Amino acid sequence: AQSVTQPDIHITVSEGASLELRCNYSYGATPYLFWYVQSPGQGLQLLLKYFSGDTLVQGIKGFEAEFKRSQSSFNLRKPSVHWSDAAEYFCAVGSGAGSYQLTFGKGTKLSVIP
Amino acid sequence: KAGVTQTPRYLIKTRGQQVTLSCSPISGHRSVSWYQQTPGQGLQFLFEYFSETQRNKGNFPGRFSGRQFSNSRSEMNVSTLELGDSALYLCASSLGWVQGAAYEQYFGPGTRLTVT
Repeated sequence: AQSVTQPDIHITVSEGASLELRCNYSYGATPYLFWYVQSPGQGLQLLLKYFSGDTLVQGIKGFEAEFKRSQSSFNLRKPSVHWSDAAEYFCAVGSGAGSYQLTFGKGTKLSVIP
Repeated sequence: KAGVTQTPRYLIKTRGQQVTLSCSPISGHRSVSWYQQTPGQGLQFLFEYFSETQRNKGNFPGRFSGRQFSNSRSEMNVSTLELGDSALYLCASSLGWVQGAAYEQYFGPGTRLTVT
């Protein structure tokens, strides 16, 4: 069964600093990869996705992520964090093979110091 | 284009009761998935429907059920509520029939269910 690991439960960064959130997945083939963001009391908003092709993908709100097959990773990055980026971030994997479900990591909560 | 809508947003029920939650997908999306989110277990897949057919089901007891209507709107039902059913229930929609796009899911705001 596929699994997703987000090793950092909570990260605190200063506004203007760079950010990298880690995500590792366990799946035999190349999965469909996603990052979502959730603000308190809200649903999940899709930040970006990777299906195939260029391993560096751009998303909304200035986020990008890089797929590294050799490391089974799909880390999320942002060069300069804004206070409004404080939220919880989830990495998700879709395995294909007709399961039609996403498997999520446990999430990383991001706090931003003004 | 309007996003995924879920009703009601908040619900308080008593143990033993049943509840029905509703989800309207993005226009043109034919797949609807349901997830349960709790602090302890995180986000867990409940089931997915496409064209009124359940294509996949997660590891939840039979008290959890769902259905999809011809207009792609979906409902999920939880019978004989338990305290542990307190959670945020999220609905997501996708196009559903193109391989990658079937997994590109857009979420609603959720229904916060509290069981007392």
